This record gives sequence, C-alpha cells and structure tokens, in this order.
Amino acid sequence: AQRVTQPEKLLSVFKGAPVELKCNYSYSGSPELFWYVQYSRQRLQLLLRHISRESIKGFTADLNKGETSFHLKKPFAQEEDSAMYYCALRGGGADGLTFGKGTHLIIQP
Amino acid sequence: EAGVVQSPRYKIIEKKQPVAFWCNPISGHNTLYWYLQNLGQGPELLIRYENEEAVDDSQLPKDRFSAERLKGVDSTLKIQPAELGDSAVYLCASSPGGAGARGEAFFGQGTRLTVV
Repeated sequence: AQRVTQPEKLLSVFKGAPVELKCNYSYSGSPELFWYVQYSRQRLQLLLRHISRESIKGFTADLNKGETSFHLKKPFAQEEDSAMYYCALRGGGADGLTFGKGTHLIIQP
Repeated sequence: EAGVVQSPRYKIIEKKQPVAFWCNPISGHNTLYWYLQNLGQGPELLIRYENEEAVDDSQLPKDRFSAERLKGVDSTLKIQPAELGDSAVYLCASSPGGAGARGEAFFGQGTRLTVV
C-alpha cells in the first residue's frame, strides 16, 4: 500500500527565515512525487513535481529514495507563502494521487 | 480558460436525502477524478475515469455512492441516501491523461457538502 506522511500539521516561521516542510512516503516501486498548494479561498494547484527538478516561487524539493523523503524547502520565506501544502504520490501512469494530510504554513511578518 | 468547473459550491441536505454533484473538466482532458476531502485531511481518491470508462472505483462506497461520465466529458457523483459522515468537500480533477501519461492534475473549487 502506498502512503504519504506529513508529520507537521502546522508550521509557523517568520518572514525571511528558511522553511522546510517534511514529506515521507511509502511505496514499493518508483513513484512520482508532487507538492500541491492551496492558498486561502483558492483551489488546489500544483506547486512542483520531482521529475521537473525546477524551482517554483523559490521552492525546491529533492527526492531522496534512500530516506523515502521529498521535503519542500525555501531559503527565505515570504508572507504570500502562507497556505496549506500537500505532498502527493502517484504510482504510475494516470493513477490517482495519494495525498498526505497537509501542513498549514503560516509566515509571520 | 475556466479550468475545472464544479457545481454547486455548497450544499446542505438532511440525512437520508439524495444529493448530486456535477463536474465539467478542462476541454480535451481524458482523465477525470473524484476525490473526497474530510476536514483536516488530504484528498482521497474515490473514482478515476479514462474517457467514459471507470478504470478505478475501488475506493467508491458502492452501497450509496454512484458516478457516471456520459460521453466522456462531464461527470456526476451521486450519494443516496446521504449520511451525517458524508459531510466533506468533494473535489473533481482532470488531466490530459491516458495510460502512461505524466500529466498534471487540475482541480476544481470543490463542493462542500453538509449533511444535517
């Protein structure tokens, strides 16, 4: 069975401080990993995926197969980063996503 | 581009009543998903369609839930009869899809159901 764990329900940091949202997964094969974000009163949207290896809005995430982790990082948090962040896994093809419970990130001024 | 459109946005019904949700995916997207999101949880897959075929409905509680995607475009999700525990947000998503695809899933705004 596949599972995604986000250990922090709430993470509060000050503006300008580094941010790391943790994500660990359980899957027997080679999964695709994603980070989705939901800003207040907006729909869930893709932030980044591991196969793209890109930085979006200053965020990066590296897939560590040895530790089965896909942590999301940003060196300097901004107030507009406040949102719900969900880590998600897809086993393959067009399969549905398995989501973690989400982390509510609050950036304090 | 309106994106994935869902209606209604909010619905309040009494328990034991039926309810239906509607989803219009992004034009050209073959794959359509319905997810259930309980308060404080991440979305959980209910059913996945490839065109008009339900290819994964293993998580759909078939005693009271049903779904259809006629003509492989719009989709409806129905609950009959609704129970108090069905109160949640129902999300629809679509992607360009197809087996072996790596397309991004685009989500609708969701329908917030409250059963009283």
